[in-house]
Amino acid sequence: ETGVTQTPRHLVMGMTNKKSLKCEQHLGHNAMYWYKQSAKKPLELMFVYNFKEQTENNSVPSRFSPECPNSSHLFLHLHTLQPEDSALYLCASSQDRDDRNFPFGSGTRLTVV
Amino acid sequence: DQQVKQNSPSLSVQEGRISILNCDYTNSMFDYFLWYKKYPAEGPTFLISISSIKDKNEDGRFTVFLNKSAKHLSLHIVPSQPGDSAVYFCAASDGFGNEKLTFGTGTRLTIIP
Repeated sequence: ETGVTQTPRHLVMGMTNKKSLKCEQHLGHNAMYWYKQSAKKPLELMFVYNFKEQTENNSVPSRFSPECPNSSHLFLHLHTLQPEDSALYLCASSQDRDDRNFPFGSGTRLTVV
Repeated sequence: DQQVKQNSPSLSVQEGRISILNCDYTNSMFDYFLWYKKYPAEGPTFLISISSIKDKNEDGRFTVFLNKSAKHLSLHIVPSQPGDSAVYFCAASDGFGNEKLTFGTGTRLTIIP
């Protein structure tokens, strides 16, 4: 257990659906991250929140919409996704933005059909 | 254009022997390097790191070597144990903040009993 919990573990959605991924940490961390891992590709940073403020949006399409209501919770809202968005979505948190030992959640395996 | 490359997607090593995982990078501004380990159905976990002012860092059975002139780093695991079977990601940073981390595609290490 890393202290970062992601739900659901698996998600299958149609291209017209709207769904949300949830990430929760009770480690007292101030920064939270969304990463995407596609098959045979490196982990790609999507969004960074620091003290609930978005500090990084790595040119992510608007069909992905993050939300950070408080420092313990992070959501990724999904709508009108494409099959190429199928991937493992990982959440991570860190005490501050420079803490390299930052735990990841187990991820949500997303399949868009 | 991948700035951090792990050219071997997989590696098999006999238990008790040395495992050597390699990573090459192209960005000469990278000044901090890390290795993460990932088990199936879990998120990556931090393993070991090295700053560009060093050429070696050791932590128990794990040693990371950095060759700046060759833009190459390697992770040595000795002796290899069955629990070391996982995917290993190399990552590099060129500044402050985890948003500066660039990951490789990973190498799947299998330790043969």
